[in-house]
Amino acid sequence: QVQLHQSGPGLVKPSETLSLTCTVSGGSLSSFYWNWIRQPPGKGLEWIGYIYYNGRTNYNPSLRGRVTISADTSENQLSLKLSSVTAADTAVYYCARAWDSTGYHSYWGQGTLVTVS
Amino acid sequence: QSVLTQPPSVSGAPGQRVTISCTGTSSNIGAGYHVHWYQQFPGTAPKILIYNNNNRPSEVPDRFSASKSGTSASLAITGLQAEDEADYYCQSYDNSLSGSRVFGGGTKLTVL
Repeated sequence: QVQLHQSGPGLVKPSETLSLTCTVSGGSLSSFYWNWIRQPPGKGLEWIGYIYYNGRTNYNPSLRGRVTISADTSENQLSLKLSSVTAADTAVYYCARAWDSTGYHSYWGQGTLVTVS
Repeated sequence: QSVLTQPPSVSGAPGQRVTISCTGTSSNIGAGYHVHWYQQFPGTAPKILIYNNNNRPSEVPDRFSASKSGTSASLAITGLQAEDEADYYCQSYDNSLSGSRVFGGGTKLTVL
């Protein structure tokens, strides 16, 4: 059974860089799209971006320039970095797996609440 | 402002049928991209409910169904149960935003 386990600090200071890691167990990174999605408190879901197992990335235009998604296939981990954070970046962040670039997310991490303060 | 538009809330009594709409444009749903639906309970990650417009994972009851037409999609829940009370989100793909996955703003379902 594929499981995604997230880790990283829950508190980040304004103007600093948010960093989260998602460790995949029960499967490899190969042949899937690995996404980051966030949800501000009490609000809806926002797609941040994805990385394909071959390293190709695509980001939400509203965050492009501040976001970097990378993957370490040897460790079965993906990471998210979001720079120059503000209070508007306070959200629960999720990693999630998808079969293709336009498809649905079949497996999700447990979510990490990151507060910018 | 979400790219896909959903009603903020819907409600129904146990046993009733409710529907949740998801309205897009010609660059996402209207362009032929699949629509997917998620169910989310407080404090938990979303769970896929319907994928590729009208397909249910095996563990999802057949009380849940969905359809798509033109620039809109709809989720229907029949035989409403108290345990269905949750937030529901639609998701598609938009080719006008450098290729972005897009979500609806979410709909809170209240079982009266």
